[in-house]
Amino acid sequence: DAKTTQPTSMDCAEGRAANLPCNHSTISGNEYVYWYRQIHSQGPQYIIHGLKNNETNEMASLIITEDRKSSTLILPHATLRDTAVYYCIVRLSHMNRDDKIIFGKGTRLHILP
Amino acid sequence: GAVVSQHPSRVICKSGTSVKIECRSLDFQATTMFWYRQFPKQSLMLMATSNEGSKATYEQGVEKDKFLINHASLTLSTLTVTSAHPEDSSFYICSARGGQVNTEAFFGQGTRLTVV
Repeated sequence: DAKTTQPTSMDCAEGRAANLPCNHSTISGNEYVYWYRQIHSQGPQYIIHGLKNNETNEMASLIITEDRKSSTLILPHATLRDTAVYYCIVRLSHMNRDDKIIFGKGTRLHILP
Repeated sequence: GAVVSQHPSRVICKSGTSVKIECRSLDFQATTMFWYRQFPKQSLMLMATSNEGSKATYEQGVEKDKFLINHASLTLSTLTVTSAHPEDSSFYICSARGGQVNTEAFFGQGTRLTVV
């Protein structure tokens, strides 16, 4: 079962920052927060992951609360191509051979022109 | 990032026939591959995990005799849907992970199976 809760859908205006929340109140100390997205009829794409510190890469920023019970994915300047389903996933590190990626329902993000 | 390729991207088959889907890691050795199924407007459901050279581990409720998985090499895994029925029509996605430290799992582009 997925260990995360996300809003079903969100809208964001093109050019604005898209902030996608995720609750993971039962996260364990050795579990990471990962974000993936799936554009229609394609395979999922990795975005970013973190343990407890905030992370930033060329695609997005990840803000994790101090108690690690929730996080926010930030797309700083959303474009129409960012329209997708975004999945917040709690999992063991990808360095752990027992790791599996279990998807929840995700958030359907619509970027509006 | 690394590339995982699935073939075919779309396939239509008749009820009762079998269809094979290939998943290849193009630029890394995939010690572990995952197979998912996704119905319209639903999330991905993990079907099975396969490690190179060993039998696949199936998730609860997934029939291993119906969904045959072979992971005979470090770059190729196949999923065969046997005796396909219309209810097997779905989007099938593979994911591959290498054996080195810091190797993320990468996803194929998916295969849309339609059983008529």
